[in-house]
Amino acid sequence: LAKTTQPISMDSYEGQEVNITCSHNNIATNDYITWYQQFPSQGPRFIIQGYKTKVTNEVASLFIPADRKSSTLSLPRVSLSDTAVYYCLVGETAGNKLTFGGGTRVLVKP
Amino acid sequence: GAVVSQHPSWVICKSGTSVKIECRSLDFQATTMFWYRQFPKQSLMLMATSNEGSKATYEQGVEKDKFLINHASLTLSTLTVTSAHPEDSSFYICSARDQEGFTDTQYFGPGTRLTVL
Repeated sequence: LAKTTQPISMDSYEGQEVNITCSHNNIATNDYITWYQQFPSQGPRFIIQGYKTKVTNEVASLFIPADRKSSTLSLPRVSLSDTAVYYCLVGETAGNKLTFGGGTRVLVKP
Repeated sequence: GAVVSQHPSWVICKSGTSVKIECRSLDFQATTMFWYRQFPKQSLMLMATSNEGSKATYEQGVEKDKFLINHASLTLSTLTVTSAHPEDSSFYICSARDQEGFTDTQYFGPGTRLTVL
């Protein structure tokens, strides 16, 4: 399982775009990149998954450069309710064993 | 979207008793489910992988006789904490592997807060 490195915390303000970069230098050819969001005392919530280039859904975008050694989760126009911990995980599939790192604590201020 | 439930959402028990936590995939079948525990301000730690119809696979350092896992059907896995002690107090979270469709993703339950007195 590829090791990931993310910033410990980030502060932002309502309405701004938040970009969280995750490093995964030893990502394997078959690995996917998956992001989860977790609120206190709740289970993680699936946000987005990708393999290469760009993936977009209704809540976020995931940018993956050609070398795939990093990825960036982009949250457009955040609100106070986006305050949470965001985890970047890398693995052959997100359905298989996942190793959670420390995650990034995002604080959205008014 | 895929929904996973857990029951109970919280439980308080006396030291020495056993507690059972249920994890259900509500709108998909899951041959594989996972059990995690999370201490305050820490990340999730995988305890075991539960496979329908077979024995669970435990992570290193997790006592299989203390944390009994049963995956009796494609939508239900249970975790029983036997002879619970205060150090077992934690937030237990299950996830279910959704392989239906084009993706292969884990969806998590809401978690169960266990407090052992």
